[in-house]
Amino acid sequence: NAGVTQTPKFQVLKTGQSMTLQCAQDMNHEYMSWYRQDPGMGLRLIHYSVGAGITDQGEVPNGYNVSRSTTEDFPLRLLSAAPSQTSVYFCASSRGQGAFVSYNEQFFGPGTRLTVL
Amino acid sequence: KQEVTQIPAALSVPEGENLVLNCSFTDSAIYNLQWFRQDPGKGLTSLLLIQSSQREQTSGRLNASLDKSSGRSTLYIAASQPGDSATYLCAVGSSGGGADGLTFGKGTHLIIQP
Repeated sequence: NAGVTQTPKFQVLKTGQSMTLQCAQDMNHEYMSWYRQDPGMGLRLIHYSVGAGITDQGEVPNGYNVSRSTTEDFPLRLLSAAPSQTSVYFCASSRGQGAFVSYNEQFFGPGTRLTVL
Repeated sequence: KQEVTQIPAALSVPEGENLVLNCSFTDSAIYNLQWFRQDPGKGLTSLLLIQSSQREQTSGRLNASLDKSSGRSTLYIAASQPGDSATYLCAVGSSGGGADGLTFGKGTHLIIQP
């Protein structure tokens, strides 16, 4: 199993550009989440999904869109990048056991380091 | 809103010592608590998961305890090695505030001196 994979590893954008961060998992996990990690702030939840076709907002959802068309993939879209979105982005997945995403052990991808100029 | 605090923020000890990392959280209505390790420029590696009904979990030289009523967890590392040098993150699983996900502490940066 490759586990949770993320592409690209690094990305530089100009303000106003759009892009999609890719996340895929091959563990047949129902639950997937996106976090961002900023110095001095820790990791914060952006969006999460409890299954294909179902998404919900986390703590810091503004400026980001997500969709979940398959169990395996959970892309994160930045429609108009801003310097405040410079961060390291992590995708996580977990089994769909229990009523809540956070009930289960979370497995994280290697991250995407994004810089917005 | 759930808040997670980790103390100390940084720790440097000689190789071979036993050490304790601390984590506290403000809302005891949690599902679980998870300890992660993060190496520089890398992702998060899950070390131990403690469900809210459990008191502790062990894996090799690592032992994590949970006292939900007091809002505290400790990660005990026995016989530390230079390879243990990393940032250790504590995260609690809860649905406080309506968002269902992990709330992280800011981490303890650990250096084991050879």
